[in-house]
This record gives sequence, structure tokens and C-alpha cells, in this order.
Amino acid sequence: DAKTTQPNSMESNEEEPVHLPCNHSTISGTDYIHWYRQLPSQGPEYVIHGLTSNVNNRMASLAIAEDRKSSTLILHRATLRDAAVYYCILRASNSGYSTLTFGKGTMLLVSP
Amino acid sequence: DAGVTQSPTHLIKTRGQHVTLRCSPISGHKSVSWYQQVLGQGPQFIFQYYEKEERGRGNFPDRFSARQFPNYSSELNVNALLLGDSALYLCASSSSTRGELFFGEGSRLTVL
Repeated sequence: DAKTTQPNSMESNEEEPVHLPCNHSTISGTDYIHWYRQLPSQGPEYVIHGLTSNVNNRMASLAIAEDRKSSTLILHRATLRDAAVYYCILRASNSGYSTLTFGKGTMLLVSP
Repeated sequence: DAGVTQSPTHLIKTRGQHVTLRCSPISGHKSVSWYQQVLGQGPQFIFQYYEKEERGRGNFPDRFSARQFPNYSSELNVNALLLGDSALYLCASSSSTRGELFFGEGSRLTVL
């Protein structure tokens, strides 16, 4: 799987928007961009994924650069519960099966 | 609906012993994957099973083995435990080999 680069940590204040960046300059045309997050003492949970177009769901928005070499996960109003490690993962879509290759992710700290 | 359940939640073993970890997937999910998460790192892929067949294997020694049962539950076995096997072992289920992964809360293994 192609590699992603994320900042080690970011800080935010509660109720403010958060933009979590991810660089994936070696992404292939068939790679989907997935985001998972891991709250303390829990397993990772799916957040959102996309291929080329920006995506929105109840948890977050995903903005994908036109050349697909970077993407940004947007939390519109951070809450204390959003404090977690966020993983940006590229997942191949052209194989019979695929797994998630996690990096170290970005630890998001949210202050009241 | 019940999520992915894992047992035991915590266990302590000594070097050289054997351990079996168990996972029950979400009802209707036929794919189970296992991940190892060492403190401070992202989860690392160990195995994926679908319809009782191994569909993927990560870069782990032969001391690690797994199987999936007709009811789609799964076991991860680790023989000849080493100190470095101390980690959080995560099980994830999905409806297909490439679907969104739903993780359990993990089994915390400590090897003394």
C-alpha cells in the first residue's frame, strides 16, 4: 500500500473546526483514501472514505485535492469526544482483498 | 446490535507460553481480520479470513496462526510467547473482504 504522511499531533478548542491534513504523493489511481480514528482504550472506528470527489457524512467531511496527492479530514465543530488518534490510510481497490496499513496517525487534542 | 466482541479483555502470560484469543464478528459479517497494536504505534495487520479461508497474511512469524469457524467467529493463536508479543490484539469484522472494518475493543496481552 502507498504511504501517507500526517502530523504527529494537533490541538483544537472545543466547538471550533479542525482540519487534519494527510499527504499521499505516491497514491495510485485505484487507491481509496480512508480515515479511521481511535479513541483512548478503544479499537479504531471508521470515519469516512473517498476516491476523487469530496465526501460528507454525519461525522466529518473529506476534502481531496484535485491531483489526489493530499487530503484533509474536516471536523466541523470539535467536541471533547473527538480527542483521538486519526489515521489516514490508502486502500487498494483493485485486488481480491485489501487490508488497512496504519501509520502512527495524528493525535488530536481538544481543549474545553 | 452487538458489535465485535473479543475475549479475554486482558491477560498475562510468561515467555514460552501459548495464548488463544477469541473474536465474535458482527452478525452477518463473514470476514474477520486480526491486528496487533504495540504501544505508541498504529495497528499492524496479521491475518484476514473470509468464509473460513485465509485471504491475507501480514509479516508475522509462524508462531502466529488463526482460524475461522463455520459461525464466522475466529481464534488467534500465538505460540512460544516472547516479551515483544506484548500488545493490544484487535479483531475487526466486515461484510466482505474489502468492506468497512468494524473493530472490537481488543485483548490486551502482557508477556512477562
